[in-house]
Amino acid sequence: QVQLVQSGAEVKKPGASVKVSCRTSGYTFTGYYIHWVRQAPGQGLEWLGWINPNTGGTNYAQKFQGRVAMTRDTSISTVYMDLSSLRFDDTAVYYCARDLLLYSYTSGTSYWGQGTLVTVSS
Amino acid sequence: DIQMTQSPSSLSASVGDRVTITCRASQSIGSYLNWSQQKPGRAPKLLIYAASTLQSGVPSRFSGSGSGTDFTLTINGLQPEDFATYYCQQSYSTPITFGQGTRLDIK
Repeated sequence: QVQLVQSGAEVKKPGASVKVSCRTSGYTFTGYYIHWVRQAPGQGLEWLGWINPNTGGTNYAQKFQGRVAMTRDTSISTVYMDLSSLRFDDTAVYYCARDLLLYSYTSGTSYWGQGTLVTVSS
Repeated sequence: DIQMTQSPSSLSASVGDRVTITCRASQSIGSYLNWSQQKPGRAPKLLIYAASTLQSGVPSRFSGSGSGTDFTLTINGLQPEDFATYYCQQSYSTPITFGQGTRLDIK
């Protein structure tokens, strides 16, 4: 079955960087785009961007341009999300989510990781 | 960016009720509209994609309709496990954007 397993919770100081991993299994890794979405405590969902695991191509929300980087390691079917220059309002649960359909980034976020809580605190 | 506006923001209903949640896009998005359900402490779960296609394994009491700018999610015969927060999401263009959510509570 399709599974996305994320790395554990992180506590970071303002200005630091965090790298969250998302290990996938149960499907062809290079066939499905991965999105990253975050949710601040008690708030709604916010999209950070996607990565094409086949090519490594990315598309980031303009809000995060220059601070976010999404990469992948095809040998271990894992994608990474790196967020730098952390601020207090980056405190959130970060999710990776696989797109529903093959080679699509528009069909909907179907399979989700369990989420990684990133806390930014001094 | 495309703004997604859901209504209502919260809703109280009883088991067995029929419930409708609406989502409006700030510009036409064709049928690139998805609905998800989220329960506290859990990741969202995709219910409907392409405005009206039921995701595999989702009960048939959930249905979606609409195109362009106006969309609805309907739940026919609410079950206890349906009390959750529902989000619409447009995937027509980036940045992908979500509605603010509709919290469905037990009356």
